[in-house]
Amino acid sequence: ETGVTQTPRHLVMGMTNKKSLKCEQHLGHNAMYWYKQSAKKPLELMFVYSLEERVENNSVPSRFSPECPNSSHLFLHLHTLQPEDSALYLCASSQEYGELFFGEGSRLTVL
Amino acid sequence: GENVEQHPSTLSVQEGDSAVIKCTYSDSASNYFPWYKQELGKRPQLIIDIRSNVGEKKDQRIAVTLNKTAKHFSLHITETQPEDSAVYFCAASYPGGYNKLIFGAGTRLAVHP
Repeated sequence: ETGVTQTPRHLVMGMTNKKSLKCEQHLGHNAMYWYKQSAKKPLELMFVYSLEERVENNSVPSRFSPECPNSSHLFLHLHTLQPEDSALYLCASSQEYGELFFGEGSRLTVL
Repeated sequence: GENVEQHPSTLSVQEGDSAVIKCTYSDSASNYFPWYKQELGKRPQLIIDIRSNVGEKKDQRIAVTLNKTAKHFSLHITETQPEDSAVYFCAASYPGGYNKLIFGAGTRLAVHP
């Protein structure tokens, strides 16, 4: 148990659907992250929330919309995605400069 | 922005041999260099890290070296075992109140019995 839980673990959606990915951390950390993992590519940092404030938004298309209602929860809202958005989406948390603890990921398939 | 290059992309060794994975980074402001191991279907997990005020760090069979002048760092695994088979990612981080990690593309290590 790493203390970072992601749901759902698998998601299949059409290009016109709206869905959300959820992440919850039980480690008392003050920063949370969304990473995208595609085959044969580096882990791509998408968003960072530090103390519930978004501090990084790495040129991510607006069809991805993050939300951090409190320090323990992070969401990624998905809307009108493209097939190339199919990937493993990893949530992580850390305490300032400390180790990143990753969740198991949400495997997204866009049809 | 920061860029992290990682080599090789695949590495195959015999059990008991050593394995070395190398990474270079572009931004001299980076000050934290972790290595993550990701087994098939699992989450990435930290195995060792090093900060810029240290040149080498060792933890049992795993060691990391850092050359700040050349902006490269390496992971060394000695006496490899089949359970070391996984994808290994290096990363470099900026200061900033949180851990902004830029990852390398990963090295798939296969240890053959």
